[in-house]
This record gives sequence, C-alpha cells and structure tokens, in this order.
Amino acid sequence: NAGVTQTPKFQVLKTGQSMTLQCAQDMNHEYMSWYRQDPGMGLRLIHYSVGAGITDQGEVPNGYNVSRSTTEDFPLRLLSAAPSQTSVYFCASRPTGGNTEAFFGQGTRLTVV
Amino acid sequence: AQSVAQPEDQVNVAEGNPLTVKCTYSVSGNPYLFWYVQYPNRGLQFLLKYITGDNLVKGSYGFEAEFNKSQTSFHLKKPSALVSDSALYFCAVRGPDTGGFKTIFGAGTRLFVKA
Repeated sequence: NAGVTQTPKFQVLKTGQSMTLQCAQDMNHEYMSWYRQDPGMGLRLIHYSVGAGITDQGEVPNGYNVSRSTTEDFPLRLLSAAPSQTSVYFCASRPTGGNTEAFFGQGTRLTVV
Repeated sequence: AQSVAQPEDQVNVAEGNPLTVKCTYSVSGNPYLFWYVQYPNRGLQFLLKYITGDNLVKGSYGFEAEFNKSQTSFHLKKPSALVSDSALYFCAVRGPDTGGFKTIFGAGTRLFVKA
C-alpha cells in the first residue's frame, strides 16, 4: 500500500516558470489537501478538496491552482513561480469525517531562483 | 479567530526523563485535536488524537496527550524519552470554526533528546 505519493521530491525553478506538483493516493480518501511548510510557520493550507470535482481555497492560495478530476489525484500548479514560493510542499489525504487523521506524502522541496 | 499555539520552539530533555510538548488552541465548540511527528526529510506521521471521552489519550511510540478543556490545552507527554524521539512535533486542531474540513497546525516544536 503506497499511501500518498508526491513527485518530484526536489525541484529548482527559475522565476516566472510554471510547473505541476503531483500527488496521488491509493486509499480511496475523499479529502485531499496541499500545504506548504516554512520555518517557524508550521503548515499552511494552500488548497483542499472534499471530493472529485470539488476544490476550495485555503489560507495561502495565491499563485497556485488545483484540480481534482479523480479521487486519486490532486495536482498543484504553480502558475508563475516566485522566490516567495520557495518552500517544502506536502500533500495529505484522509477519509471522510471530521475526526479522521491525515496521511502525508514525503514532500516536495521547491526552490525558486 | 481560530489558532493553535506551540509556545516552545525547542524542548531539550535527557534520555530517560519525562517530556512534555505544549499546545494550546483557540477554537470554539468541541474541536478534534491531533499530534503529528515529522522526522528529517519525511512527511508528517500521525501520533494520536482526541475526539471525545477520556481526557488522557494514548498513541504511538509510547506517547500520550492530556486534553484540558478549561485551559484549552492538549499537551503531548511521554514518561521516558528516547534519543529516537528527537523530531519536529506538530499540534493540530479541526472543528466547527474551521469548517469541519480544514486542519490548523501549530508552528511546531523541535524535540531534542540527549543521550
């Protein structure tokens, strides 16, 4: 059981470039989320989805797009990378229900130069 | 506004001593509370959660947490620390204020256990 798989693990972008961070889960979880982790700031929610075809903005959505065409996949798109988007990005999934714990991918370390 | 506070950036303990990592929250209603651990270059792993019932919750790797509604706290504890417990610990809360979907994370506390 692979759980939550993120690709790539590392990426360097130039300012203005675009890219997609991939996230896939094989646990049939309805809820999926993208977070960014910055030193001293914990995890901040970028976008989330409560099911295929349904997405919503989190705390820091600007500069990012998401889509959820299938239950398994939840890609995060950086439209025009900026140095402020240098961070570690985590994808998470969990079953339906307010009391369920999340399963996290191993993260993508992104550097924008 | 809803929030989670972890007042200590770092906690240092000697191996074999008890440890406490503190967490307080500000969410109305009856929140769900979680602790996660992050080892270097890894994603977060679930440790334990409080949903309802007994205020003392037991979780993975010998960790436990005590829910205190009056103090709005959910401190993580372990009776005897191991060097392998050294990691980054996150407290998280989810509840009516967060729409029932979103999880709010604290900034994290780095635990360092010295041999």
